[in-house]
Amino acid sequence: QVQLVQSGAEVKKPGSSVKVSCEASGGTFSSYALSWVRQAPGLGLEWMGAIIPIFGIANYAQKFRGRLTIITDESRSTVYMELSSLRSEDTAVYYCARDRTTSRPHFDAFDVWGQGTMVTVSS
Amino acid sequence: DIVMTQSPDSLAVSLGERATINCKSSQNVLASSNNKNYLAWYQQKPGQPPKLLIYWASTRESGVPDRFSGSGSGTDFTLTISSLQTEDVAIYYCQQYYSTQITFGPGTKVDIK
Repeated sequence: QVQLVQSGAEVKKPGSSVKVSCEASGGTFSSYALSWVRQAPGLGLEWMGAIIPIFGIANYAQKFRGRLTIITDESRSTVYMELSSLRSEDTAVYYCARDRTTSRPHFDAFDVWGQGTMVTVSS
Repeated sequence: DIVMTQSPDSLAVSLGERATINCKSSQNVLASSNNKNYLAWYQQKPGQPPKLLIYWASTRESGVPDRFSGSGSGTDFTLTISSLQTEDVAIYYCQQYYSTQITFGPGTKVDIK
């Protein structure tokens, strides 16, 4: 059974960047879409973008285009999310999540989630 | 983007009673190619990541108790908990994955009355 293990909590200054990793273990990695979803304190879930490692092309939510980069390192079965120009509103728990199947062209529901990474943006 | 709305924002139900959550999408999420609704339901408890309950609008994920059921098609969907248990206290989110711009509903908080 695949597990997604994320990197640890981060504290960042406004205007800086943060890079969060998500390592997949125990299962196939490359063919499944992996998404990033964030959740600000007390608020709902917000999809940020996704990547299919075998293709290496990311799809971003309009809101984050220009500020978000999602890349993969297949040799490490790891996906990275880098968010730049951080502001206080980016304070949130960031989750990676894997599609349930490898079906295309649509995405699928997310059946495996990472444990979450708290990113705090504060001066 | 497809906008997802949920109602109610919160509800309190007695133990053993039925809880019903509604979800509406601003656009159709039923694919004509395979007649599947690209709609999922998640449960989230405090301090935990979301857990997939239902996909294709009505297919229960493996291991999910059968008191959880999903229904609906096109733009209107419902999650029903037939007999609420204490462990069902959580926030429930619907999600559409029809579009390449995935979106979630705002969530519905379920509590015990």
